[in-house]
Amino acid sequence: AQSVTQPDIHITVSEGASLELRCNYSYGATPYLFWYVQSPGQGLQLLLKYFSGDTLVQGIKGFEAEFKRSQSSFNLRKPSVHWSDAAEYFCAVGGVTGGGNKLTFGTGTQLKVEL
Amino acid sequence: GAGVSQSPRYKVAKRGQDVALRCDPISGHVSLFWYQQALGQGPEFLTYFQNEAQLDKSGLPSDRFFAERPEGSVSTLKIQRTQQEDSAVYLCASRTRTSGSGRNEQFFGPGTRLTVL
Repeated sequence: AQSVTQPDIHITVSEGASLELRCNYSYGATPYLFWYVQSPGQGLQLLLKYFSGDTLVQGIKGFEAEFKRSQSSFNLRKPSVHWSDAAEYFCAVGGVTGGGNKLTFGTGTQLKVEL
Repeated sequence: GAGVSQSPRYKVAKRGQDVALRCDPISGHVSLFWYQQALGQGPEFLTYFQNEAQLDKSGLPSDRFFAERPEGSVSTLKIQRTQQEDSAVYLCASRTRTSGSGRNEQFFGPGTRLTVL
């Protein structure tokens, strides 16, 4: 069964500092990997996705993520965090078999940005 | 264009009541998903529709949960005899293509926050 682990429940960074949010997945085949962001009272918004090709993917709002098969990781990064980035971030894996490629999410990382 | 919409945004129910949650997907989207997000957790899959066909309901926690999408567009998630453990945010998502296109984005609605007293 597919699963996702986000080891950091809360992270606090200063505005302008760099950010890395960790994500480890478990999946038998080549996974489809996603990062979503959720602001209070809002739905989930896709930041970026990976399914093949270049292992460094660029997303919206200046985010990027790197797929490392050997480490089963898909960490999210941003070189300089803005106060508006404060939100909850979810890593998700989507399978290629069954369930319409339903997404399995991690428990999320709550990002706080100090001004 | 319009995104995925859900109604009501907030619902308070007394234990034992039945509730119905509505999802309006993006027009033309074939695939529709329901997820349940408990407080402090990530969303968890409940069920999946391809047009009007419910192809996967493996995530529904009990037979009190029922979902339908009779005309292949609007979907309703119904919970009978609500229990306190049903309190959660219920998210709906739609996707433009069918199974096998998991690389395509799922677009999420804002969710319905259900509180069972």
